[in-house]
Amino acid sequence: EDQVTQSPEALRLQEGESSSLNCSYTVSGLRGLFWYRQDPGKGPEFLFTLYSAGEEKEKERLKATLTKKESFLHITAPKPEDSATYLCAVQAGSGTYKYIFGTGTRLKVLA
Amino acid sequence: DAGVIQSPRHEVTEMGQEVTLRCKPISGHNSLFWYRQTMMRGLELLIYFNNNVPIDDSGMPEDRFSAKMPNASFSTLKIQPSEPRDSAVYFCASSLAQDRAAFFGPGTRLTVL
Repeated sequence: EDQVTQSPEALRLQEGESSSLNCSYTVSGLRGLFWYRQDPGKGPEFLFTLYSAGEEKEKERLKATLTKKESFLHITAPKPEDSATYLCAVQAGSGTYKYIFGTGTRLKVLA
Repeated sequence: DAGVIQSPRHEVTEMGQEVTLRCKPISGHNSLFWYRQTMMRGLELLIYFNNNVPIDDSGMPEDRFSAKMPNASFSTLKIQPSEPRDSAVYFCASSLAQDRAAFFGPGTRLTVL
């Protein structure tokens, strides 16, 4: 069964304290892996798409990487405004193009 | 550019009533997705359309739920009759194509009393 697991469930960081969020997946092939940010009361906001192992994408303080079994979202020198829930989703390599979402990591960055 | 538009933003109804949620995707996007989000189950795909045709409805909970996409700029998700366990935030999302990133609307918070 296709599955996506995110860890940790919650993370508290001091401002400037870099860390990484993990998204591990078990799917029959991989079409794509997607990272989203979700603020309370809002819809998920698209951050990155990764398609193949070894691929990396960067945006401001965020960098996403992909291996054959997992993806990492690295947050460098985070600021309080980076506080949000970070979700990853995968599209399996067979069947329809539906996303399978993980349950997310709740990130709190303290000033 | 306007993003995905959903209405209403909040809906409070009583058990047994019919509820209709509406979505206008981003212009030019060919795929449209309906998701439900709860604390217990996270984000779950209910159904998605490609070029207005339903492709995967395996996430639709039961016959009380139905979705339509009569044209490229409008979709509805209907629940009839509604039950308290349907209370959740319902998101609509759209993408340029099935294998491209989906962009989400602000959601409709549904409360069934």
